[in-house]
Amino acid sequence: GQQVMQIPQYQHVQEGEDFTTYCNSSTTLSNIQWYKQRPGGHPVFLIQLVKSGEVKKQKRLTFQFGEAKKNSSLHITATQTTDVGTYFCADNTGGFKTIFGAGTRLFVKA
Amino acid sequence: GAVVSQHPSWVICKSGTSVKIECRSLDFQATTMFWYRQFPKQSLMLMATSNEGSKATYEQGVEKDKFLINHASLTLSTLTVTSAHPEDSSFYICSARGTVGQGSNTEAFFGQGTRLTVV
Repeated sequence: GQQVMQIPQYQHVQEGEDFTTYCNSSTTLSNIQWYKQRPGGHPVFLIQLVKSGEVKKQKRLTFQFGEAKKNSSLHITATQTTDVGTYFCADNTGGFKTIFGAGTRLFVKA
Repeated sequence: GAVVSQHPSWVICKSGTSVKIECRSLDFQATTMFWYRQFPKQSLMLMATSNEGSKATYEQGVEKDKFLINHASLTLSTLTVTSAHPEDSSFYICSARGTVGQGSNTEAFFGQGTRLTVV
C-alpha cells in the first residue's frame, strides 16, 4: 500500500542548531501534510503542501515539496527547546485517509 | 481550528473486559472519522475509517470483531476494544474531517488520545 518513508528516526541537537527531517514516497503524492506531536500529546497539524516545488514558511519552520512531488522536507532554523517533539509527514493521497510516516523525534539540548 | 474531544483520556481495565472510547467533534460535523493506534515511540497506525451511518472500513490486519467501531451520528464515533488483552495496551487516537466548513479537505483534527492499559 501507500507508504511514506521518513528519516532520520531521531535527532539530537543543541539549542540554536538547525534541524531537518525528510520524507520520501515511491509514488507521486497529490499533497503532503506535516504534523507535530509533543511528548504525551496528540498530533497537531502544521501545514499542507500541494504544488510541485512548493515552499512554505512558518516563522522558523520551512516546508518544501519536491518538484516530482515524491519528497518533502521540514527544516527548523535555530531550534529552541519548545521545538521538542515528533514531526510526522503524512500522505492523504489515498482517498480520504491520512497515512503517517514513521516520524522524526527531535531532542533539543539547552 | 476545529475541536475533537476524545474520552476517556486514560483507562485501565482487566484482561477479558471491553472498553469503549468516544470521539466527538464539538464544533463541526464529522462525516468521516479515523481511528489510529500508536505504540510507544512509534508512528500512528491507521486502524479504520468510519463514515457516518455506514460500516467502518478496516485496514489490513485489524480485526473488525475485536475493534468495534460505530459512527451513528455526525458528531460521535466510538471504538470498543472487546475482550481486551495486555497486547492491546496502546495509545488510541481518533481524528475527524467534515465536508463543509471546518476540516473540509485539509488537516485532520485529532482527539487528545486514550491511553489504554490492560492488566
